[in-house]
Amino acid sequence: AQTVTQSQPEMSVQEAETVTLSCTYDTSESDYYLFWYKQPPSRQMILVIRQEAYKQQNATENRFSVNFQKAAKSFSLKISDSQLGDAAMYFCAYRRGITSGTYKYIFGTGTRLKVLA
Amino acid sequence: KAGVTQTPRYLIKTRGQQVTLSCSPISGHRSVSWYQQTPGQGLQFLFEYFSETQRNKGNFPGRFSGRQFSNSRSEMNVSTLELGDSALYLCASSLRQDSYEQYFGPGTRLTVT
Repeated sequence: AQTVTQSQPEMSVQEAETVTLSCTYDTSESDYYLFWYKQPPSRQMILVIRQEAYKQQNATENRFSVNFQKAAKSFSLKISDSQLGDAAMYFCAYRRGITSGTYKYIFGTGTRLKVLA
Repeated sequence: KAGVTQTPRYLIKTRGQQVTLSCSPISGHRSVSWYQQTPGQGLQFLFEYFSETQRNKGNFPGRFSGRQFSNSRSEMNVSTLELGDSALYLCASSLRQDSYEQYFGPGTRLTVT
């Protein structure tokens, strides 16, 4: 069975600094997707970034980038130039690929990010 | 385009009662998934519906059920509520079953007393 582990329940970062959130996963599949979701205090979960396992290049979305280490099954999220609006709970998630025939997501337990002014 | 809507936003029920939560996906989206979010367990997958059929199911007891209508709107029902069912219930919609992007609603906060 697939698992997703976020070992940092809470992280803090100074405004304008860089922070890295960790995520490890376990799977025997070769075709899968990895995601980072953000859940601000308003509760609406939004997709931050996704990574296809078959792509070697790390995904980047503006100030958000990932470090995808497939062999180590590691998928960390780097937030550069942190802003107050980045304060939220961040969830790492895994989903098997299209070829598996099942599409349910597995989420980590989340990391609460605090941004200090 | 309107986002995913969930009703009601807040609900208080008593142990033993049943509850029905509703989710309206983004227009054109045909896949709806439900999650239970609690502080201790995080987000746990309940089930997914596509074209009015349950396609995937998580590890929840039979008290949790759902359905999807022809307009893709979905409902989930929890019967014989227990205190442990208190949680935020999130609904997410996707364009297709194999779409890798899902869009979440604001959730329904269920409190069981």
